[in-house]
Amino acid sequence: SQQGEEDPQALSIQEGENATMNCSYKTSINNLQWYRQNSGRGLVHLILIRSNEREKHSGRLRVTLDTSKKSSSLLITASRAADTASYFCAIYNNDMRFGAGTRLTVKP
Amino acid sequence: KAGVTQTPRYLIKTRGQQVTLSCSPISGHRSVSWYQQTPGQGLQFLFEYFSETQRNKGNFPGRFSGRQFSNSRSEMNVSTLELGDSALYLCASSLWQGAGETQYFGPGTRLLVL
Repeated sequence: SQQGEEDPQALSIQEGENATMNCSYKTSINNLQWYRQNSGRGLVHLILIRSNEREKHSGRLRVTLDTSKKSSSLLITASRAADTASYFCAIYNNDMRFGAGTRLTVKP
Repeated sequence: KAGVTQTPRYLIKTRGQQVTLSCSPISGHRSVSWYQQTPGQGLQFLFEYFSETQRNKGNFPGRFSGRQFSNSRSEMNVSTLELGDSALYLCASSLWQGAGETQYFGPGTRLLVL
């Protein structure tokens, strides 16, 4: 599949805990991006990691990329109720393809 | 800068009708992509326009078409609507085409086909 595939499909944690989501893909990529979507609204870009990068940070977000395993992970540290959303990875190889997403619920 | 805007936000149509959705990208952005999102199929890429030319197209039937104007605004059209076309249609803009530019999404148009 050209798309990324997220794992797990759903994740429920308590506020303050860390959340880790994984994305696997099958083709070569130029870059991989993570997006967030709240309740069927538009997507918000979180972070972009290029194929020659291994790790990137943005605030409470940490993304890793392992091109040899064709996988990426998104770590949200010290989660908040406001982080409740669906998270998608998107791989770019001539066009952008999104995975099915991970539904994260952060309980207060 | 104003974000990506999409009109209308909600739409109800009946089978067989056609529909046109509009997207205004962020000022200065020249690439516009369209996506269909459904609970069953997830986010699926429809097409991408850059400088009034379709650069990429997803795996959708010819009933789905689009265009981009000289001011980068884009429209997509779905003819002969089917029940399965009910979805959230998302538009995204980016500065340039290619190289996996960060995409900025609009709020979407929710289409219901009865």
